[in-house]
Amino acid sequence: DIQMTQSPSSLSASVGDRVTITCRASHIIGSYLNWCQQKPGEAPKVLIYAASSLQSGVPSRFSGSGSGTDFTLTISGLQPEDFATYYCQQSYSNPRTFGQGTKVEIK
Amino acid sequence: QVQLQESGPGLVKPSQTLSLTCTVSGGSIRSGTYYWNWIRQPAGKAPEWIGRIYTSGSTDYNPSLKSRLSMSLDTSKNQFSLNLNSVTAADTAVYYCARENSDLRHLCYYMDVWGKGTTVTVSS
Repeated sequence: DIQMTQSPSSLSASVGDRVTITCRASHIIGSYLNWCQQKPGEAPKVLIYAASSLQSGVPSRFSGSGSGTDFTLTISGLQPEDFATYYCQQSYSNPRTFGQGTKVEIK
Repeated sequence: QVQLQESGPGLVKPSQTLSLTCTVSGGSIRSGTYYWNWIRQPAGKAPEWIGRIYTSGSTDYNPSLKSRLSMSLDTSKNQFSLNLNSVTAADTAVYYCARENSDLRHLCYYMDVWGKGTTVTVSS
């Protein structure tokens, strides 16, 4: 299985801050990397697919980059509705695997 | 737009079989090049991929669950189902169904539509 490791596990930030979350894969996965957001009591929602493609309807303050084994999710100008847990997920091979999550909290 | 809805018992006894159904509305389960997935999430933990079924009926299962798992498709009802046998407390989780779509430009699959999830507790 491909292991996905996110950092940090949690972070505190203020509205308007720029936030960066990283994800590292245990094997090369090309650009087969997706990012999703999950709020308490809700299902995950995809934000970024193929490492850097913005899902329809997702605000442009979210962006993704990287390829191979190292990836980044950036939120440029954190908004109150962005406080949530973020997961990376690889779709390079089965079984699909998720990172352990990064919880973004209000400072 | 396409919506997914999970249904099934919220409580299952240890050693019994967990059976869930996902009903697809707003589109046909046979259309497009989609995979239909099951994912579960224990409280406070990351999601875990269980497996998926294609419109042809072919399946991919997580090796960690494969010996206890089966999935099926009912195109007449626009549903797909999950059966997990010999359950233990470790199978307690929120279970989600999700559609996996493909980005034709990058050939990358991603789960673009999710159900709201259903909580399953394994307890006597």
